[in-house]
Amino acid sequence: EIVLTQSPGTLSLSPGERATLSCRASQTISSSYLAWYQQKVGQAPRLLIYGASSRATGTPDRFSGSGSGTDFTLTISRLEPEDFAVYYCQQYGSSQWTFGQGTKVEIK
Amino acid sequence: QVQLVQSGAEVKKPGASVKVSCKASGYTLTGYAMHWVRQAPGQRLEWMGWINAGNGNTYYSEKFQGRVTITRDTSASTAYMELSSLRSEDTAVYYCARNLIAARPIGFGYWGQGTLVTVSS
Repeated sequence: EIVLTQSPGTLSLSPGERATLSCRASQTISSSYLAWYQQKVGQAPRLLIYGASSRATGTPDRFSGSGSGTDFTLTISRLEPEDFAVYYCQQYGSSQWTFGQGTKVEIK
Repeated sequence: QVQLVQSGAEVKKPGASVKVSCKASGYTLTGYAMHWVRQAPGQRLEWMGWINAGNGNTYYSEKFQGRVTITRDTSASTAYMELSSLRSEDTAVYYCARNLIAARPIGFGYWGQGTLVTVSS
């Protein structure tokens, strides 16, 4: 099973700052099958990025994804108040899906 | 618009089984895979398995193999997830989720509202 490790566990930032979230896979994965989600308290996750870098419908352009191989990054260029949430990366391989443990972006 | 509406909260005793439903609307159930994901309190998302709603083929996470069964009723546009031999660690919110794009495993674009399953004696 491919393990996804996200870092940092918690990111404390102020509105307007840049957030950089990391997702590292235990082995090489296809960029086509790497996704990012946002989850707010009490809500279902929301797909933000798929294919490592493609924004889902409705995802603001301040969100961007990048990376390949084993290292992937979600960047939020300027944090808005509604961006403070938990973010998960997810990968697919061999008919199995796995999620990272999440990065919490909190208000500093 | 695509909607996934799940059944209500459940309380079960250890050793029992639970069956959660997910009714799909706004699209044809058989055209897309349906996944089940759970989240224990304060924990990460955990993928459990998925069903090809077209042909009924299922694929399960190794962790849940033998305890989880995912089915669908095409006439009711509904998918189901049954988890057996429940233990306290199975207390979680269970979500159904649909692929963003048919036949491409690129992410779960639509989610149900979640069903809280509490396992307690």
